[in-house]
Amino acid sequence: GDSVTQMEGPVTLSEEAFLTINCTYTATGYPSLFWYVQYPGEGLQLLLKATKADDKGSNKGFEATYRKETTSFHLEKGSVQVSDSAVYFCALPLVGTGNQFYFGTGTSLTVIP
Amino acid sequence: DTGVSQDPRHKITKRGQNVTFRCDPISEHNRLYWYRQTLGQGPEFLTYFQNEAQLEKSRLLSDRFSAERPKGSFSTLEIQRTEQGDSAMYLCASSGDPLKEQYFGPGTRLTVT
Repeated sequence: GDSVTQMEGPVTLSEEAFLTINCTYTATGYPSLFWYVQYPGEGLQLLLKATKADDKGSNKGFEATYRKETTSFHLEKGSVQVSDSAVYFCALPLVGTGNQFYFGTGTSLTVIP
Repeated sequence: DTGVSQDPRHKITKRGQNVTFRCDPISEHNRLYWYRQTLGQGPEFLTYFQNEAQLEKSRLLSDRFSAERPKGSFSTLEIQRTEQGDSAMYLCASSGDPLKEQYFGPGTRLTVT
């Protein structure tokens, strides 16, 4: 069935370093793809999304490109900040009655000053 | 738009007790989802409502779990005869459109002692 596989963490970076968190998907069609972020003690927030192949989602300096040829949706940021420390989840909606989301296992990012 | 709210935020209960959680979705959203998240994992789907109808349930939702959405607005999730394995974060999400983003509440953290 449809799923996402996410790079395992945890990831520790120094401030201003470049970030990549890998996400690959398996899907029968071309679903929308999402990245959610969970800050400590909070619920999930949508970070960005892409609705079709070659789309680039972007928000708060983060970007991810929906690549059909490699079935990937990697999250990138050119210069991370301490405030980016959080857990990041890749997700896609499953085909079915409710279109509930299938989430990756999450990647914990810690940015040190 | 006040977002998705959940109550309580934290619940500690003794094994064998019943607990009930409430979720208030974004008012114009007709789709409501419950997920469960354990430490170090992504959220896992439990059940889905469209308006007041419960249209899908995960195999994770044992007979001790019941959910309702009586008037198509707020929803409750009840766990009877709680077990230590029920300890988790219970997340509620709502959506106004299939395959588009879901908006998450802050979650209810359940600890069963």
